Formats: sequence, C-alpha cells, structure tokens
Amino acid sequence: AQSVTQLDSQVPVFEEAPVELRCNYSSSVSVYLFWYVQYPNQGLQLLLKYLSGSTLVKGINGFEAEFNKSQTSFHLRKPSVHISDTAEYFCAVSREGSYIPTFGRGTSLIVHP
Amino acid sequence: DSGVTQTPKHLITATGQRVTLRCSPRSGDLSVYWYQQSLDQGLQFLIQYYNGEERAKGNILERFSAQQFPDLHSELNLSSLELGDSALYFCASSVVLAGEQYFGPGTRLTVT
Repeated sequence: AQSVTQLDSQVPVFEEAPVELRCNYSSSVSVYLFWYVQYPNQGLQLLLKYLSGSTLVKGINGFEAEFNKSQTSFHLRKPSVHISDTAEYFCAVSREGSYIPTFGRGTSLIVHP
Repeated sequence: DSGVTQTPKHLITATGQRVTLRCSPRSGDLSVYWYQQSLDQGLQFLIQYYNGEERAKGNILERFSAQQFPDLHSELNLSSLELGDSALYFCASSVVLAGEQYFGPGTRLTVT
C-alpha cells in the first residue's frame, strides 16, 4: 500500500513570493505521483503528474514539481504566487499502472496581498 | 468546468435514511470514480466503474453501493445513514480505465 504525508497543513505567503509545498510518500512498488488543486467550493483539478521520465514536471498555472526517488519526495513549487493561487493542494500517489490515488491530507496555501 | 455534473449540490437528511447521489461523466468518458472527502478521513477513494462494470474498490462501507448505467451515468447509494457519513462526495471520470480524472463539483451531504 502507498501513503502520502503533506508536511504542512497551512502555508501563508505574500503575493509574488516563491512557495514550496512539501510532499513525501512511501511505497514498496513503483509509483505515479500527482498534485491536485481544490479551489473553494469546487472539485479537484489536476495540476501535474509524474509517470516516468524527467524528474522535473511542469504543470498548469506555472507550477512545477520534482520527483526525488532517494528522498521519496515530490515537492510542488511556484516561483511567484498570485492571490488566485489561494486554494487547497493535495499530493497523491498511486501504484504504477493505476490512476487511483491515495491522497495526502492537503495543504492550504494562503496568499496575502 | 470539468464537464462532470453531480446532483444534488446539497443534501440534508436524517440518521437512518437512504439517499442517492447522481453523477454524469464527461461526454465519452467510460470510467467513473467516487470519492468521499471528510474532515476526519480526508479524501478517500470509494469505488470505480468502467463501462458498467465495477473495476476497483476502496474504503467503501457495506451500507454504500454504486452502479453505472448503460448511458454511463452513475449513482452512489448511501443507506442507514450515520452522522459520520456527513461529507463531500465527489465523482470523477476518465476516458480510459486508467487515466487522468476530471472531478465534478461534489455533493455535500449533511446527516442530522
């Protein structure tokens, strides 16, 4: 079975500052990794995914994440955040070949003006 | 807008009752997934259907059941409801058996 730990439940930042949301996973098999975003009163939207290949993955809205197998991490980064990035962010892992994810508990990104 | 629709948006019911949540996938998507999001348990996968057949099961209680109809819409039935069943229930769909999922806006269930 897989599990995901999102190390920060809340991350406050100022607009135009860089941000990193941390995610660590555990699994005994090869995995796929995902980041989803949930805006208030909406469903989840896929930001980016790592399936194989390059460990640096670029997603929508200027976000990127780096897969680090030795540290079992998949941290999400953005060099300059906007107020509109305020949302809940979920890291998720699935076993290779499956798109059914196990989700972390989420990190609330709060962007202040 | 993901193209996945869920009805109703909100549902308030009493303990012991039974409710049905409905999901219409994106046009052309054959696979439907159900998830439960609660403060206690976080976001959890419940069940997946592909072209009418159950394909994967997660942490779904025996009091809960689902089905996917020939027109590919899906229903999640929750019975003998308890206070702890209060949660957001999301449906997602994908084109293939294992593929990127598109989430609906959710149904918020409140059990009183």
